[in-house]
Amino acid sequence: NAGVTQTPKFRVLKTGQSMTLLCAQDMNHEYMYWYRQDPGMGLRLIHYSVGEGTTAKGEVPDGYNVSRLKKQNFLLGLESAAPSQTSVYFCASSYSLASEQYFGPGTRLTVT
Amino acid sequence: EDQVTQSPEALRLQEGESSSLNCSYTVSGLRGLFWYRQDPGKGPEFLFTLYSAGEEKEKERLKATLTKKESFLHITAPKPEDSATYLCAVQALTDSWGKFQFGAGTQVVVTP
Repeated sequence: NAGVTQTPKFRVLKTGQSMTLLCAQDMNHEYMYWYRQDPGMGLRLIHYSVGEGTTAKGEVPDGYNVSRLKKQNFLLGLESAAPSQTSVYFCASSYSLASEQYFGPGTRLTVT
Repeated sequence: EDQVTQSPEALRLQEGESSSLNCSYTVSGLRGLFWYRQDPGKGPEFLFTLYSAGEEKEKERLKATLTKKESFLHITAPKPEDSATYLCAVQALTDSWGKFQFGAGTQVVVTP
């Protein structure tokens, strides 16, 4: 039981490049989330999904897109990376609306 | 607007020196308050969920308590392995999709 996994662990992009971050969970959770974590700002929600085929915007969605084609996977895309998107990205999942969220190990992204 | 404030920002303890971390929150009806531990370079690890004022949860040297306005995480006789950043998050009853509002965290360093 791997829990929540994320790939890649590290990535460096040039401004304007695109990339996709992959999150996978093996706990059969309905809810999945993408956060970014920046020093002094805590975790901020980018996008979330309440089930396969559904996605919605969180508090900082600009510049990101997501897809959830399979229940176990949640993809985060950056179409045209900007230096402001340099951050650590975490994926999380939860069983139900009111239950705790389980986090992946994170992806450290640097945009130069 | 929901707000979560953690204090202090950083705490340095001697091994065995007990202390408490504070998480004060403003939310329109609390569904749950969650405590996490985060080690450097890793994702947050779930510790506790508290749902109502007066509730307490314990795990090894950690004890979390909840009032109507704040939560405390008490660390009793800490050891160096308790060094980490501790995050709290709240979930409001009005949220229909499980949004967590995170605090910025308290960084705890326990020296031998």
